[in-house]
Amino acid sequence: LAKTTQPISMDSYEGQEVNITCSHNNIATNDYITWYQQFPSQGPRFIIQGYKTKVTNEVASLFIPADRKSSTLSLPRVSLSDTAVYYCLVGDGTGRRALTFGSGTRLQVQP
Amino acid sequence: EPEVTQTPSHQVTQMGQEVILRCVPISNHLYFYWYRQILGQKVEFLVSFYNNEISEKSEIFDDQFSVERPDGSNFTLKIRSTKLEDSAMYFCASSDQGSSTDTQYFGPGTRLTVL
Repeated sequence: LAKTTQPISMDSYEGQEVNITCSHNNIATNDYITWYQQFPSQGPRFIIQGYKTKVTNEVASLFIPADRKSSTLSLPRVSLSDTAVYYCLVGDGTGRRALTFGSGTRLQVQP
Repeated sequence: EPEVTQTPSHQVTQMGQEVILRCVPISNHLYFYWYRQILGQKVEFLVSFYNNEISEKSEIFDDQFSVERPDGSNFTLKIRSTKLEDSAMYFCASSDQGSSTDTQYFGPGTRLTVL
C-alpha cells in the first residue's frame, strides 16, 4: 500500500502562505494525489487533486515533483477559518474506491 | 451547491439495540460510501455500494452491519446489535463515477453514542 507521511501539526498566522508537504515514496504509476480538509465534527471536504506538476484551483495549489514521491499543498493567505486537519491521500495502485485516511496535519491559524 | 445530508445528527442508543443511520446522497451520484471516525482517530472506510450491491467492504464491516438503498434517494447503514465500540461519527459519502480518482463528497456525519 502507498503510505503517506505528513507533519502532525503546523502553526501559522492569518495572511501567511502555508505549505504542507506529504511524502508518498511508494506511489503507484496510476495513483493520483488527493487532499481533503476536515473541520471538527464535520465530514472531510475535497480540496484538490493532481497527478503531476502543478494544479491550482480557487482554494489551493498542489505541487508534485517529477518523481511524484512527495506533494505540497499550498494555501495562500490563510485565515482563521482554515484551521482544520488536512489529509493527503494516494491510492493503493489497485483502483479501489475506498479512501484511506492517515492521521493528517492539524493546521492551527492564529490571528 | 448540492450536498450529502445525513440524519440524525446525533443518535444515542443502548448497547444491543439496532440503529439505522440515514443518508441522502447527491442526486445524480451512483456510488455511495460509509466511513466512520472514532473520536480522536482516523477516518476509516466501511463499505461502498453501487447498483444495489456492495462493491467493497472493509474488515470493520462485519455481519452486524448492513446497507440498503430502500428508495431512489436514501442510503442507510444499519447496525444490528450495537456495541460500546461502535460509538463514533459515521459519514456517508457519494461520488458520480466511482473511479479511484473520483471526488467523494461527504455528509456532515451522524454522531452515534452507545451507552
